[in-house]
Amino acid sequence: QQQVKQSPQSLIVQKGGISIINCAYENTAFDYFPWYQQFPGKGPALLIAIRPDVSEKKEGRFTISFNKSAKQFSLHIMDSQPGDSATYFCAARGETGANNLFFGTGTRLTVIP
Amino acid sequence: GAGVSQTPSNKVTEKGKYVELRCDPISGHTALYWYRQSLGQGPEFLIYFQGTGAADDSGLPNDRFFAVRPEGSVSTLKIQRTERGDSAVYLCASSFGLHSYNEQFFGPGTRLTVL
Repeated sequence: QQQVKQSPQSLIVQKGGISIINCAYENTAFDYFPWYQQFPGKGPALLIAIRPDVSEKKEGRFTISFNKSAKQFSLHIMDSQPGDSATYFCAARGETGANNLFFGTGTRLTVIP
Repeated sequence: GAGVSQTPSNKVTEKGKYVELRCDPISGHTALYWYRQSLGQGPEFLIYFQGTGAADDSGLPNDRFFAVRPEGSVSTLKIQRTERGDSAVYLCASSFGLHSYNEQFFGPGTRLTVL
């Protein structure tokens, strides 16, 4: 059973465009929602994360929008660049005592120059 | 300031063989996690340690999988009687403590191929 559902599976965006990746979850015990970026041959690296007490978090070109009532969250990449081409994973984590991350299935982003 | 390191980077073995995968966490990180990433999928939790003890091993798929962390630093994931379905990238991560908000830092992974 997939705890975190992610879409789309792949995404192609023109340089300078906005990339949007969506995730949904069911477990209301989740209280931490990170996004990871993974390049081929590398481990995932934390990009940005949000807690459910805020609806939006922005760091540079990256923004997380969080809708607690709908149990959905999304990543927006503004002014997408070819260097952003990677696989992006959303994830969710519970309270202390259940510390493992539940990952989505990933979105392969390609930014065309 | 080295990150999480994993050895070997690649491991090819034959069905039925035993393998050991090693993880060196970031110095000072007390929590250590193992995940498995199959092709085209997100990482899937296997086990995590707080110090030397396995705090949660609920993600281990069966009793062929075992992990240790005898001195609270380096960890070894052990797989007995490997099967072709065990082929995946095995990722290790570490964090400073177990709080939900402590960032998990991932290593580059060990790609295991079972022939």
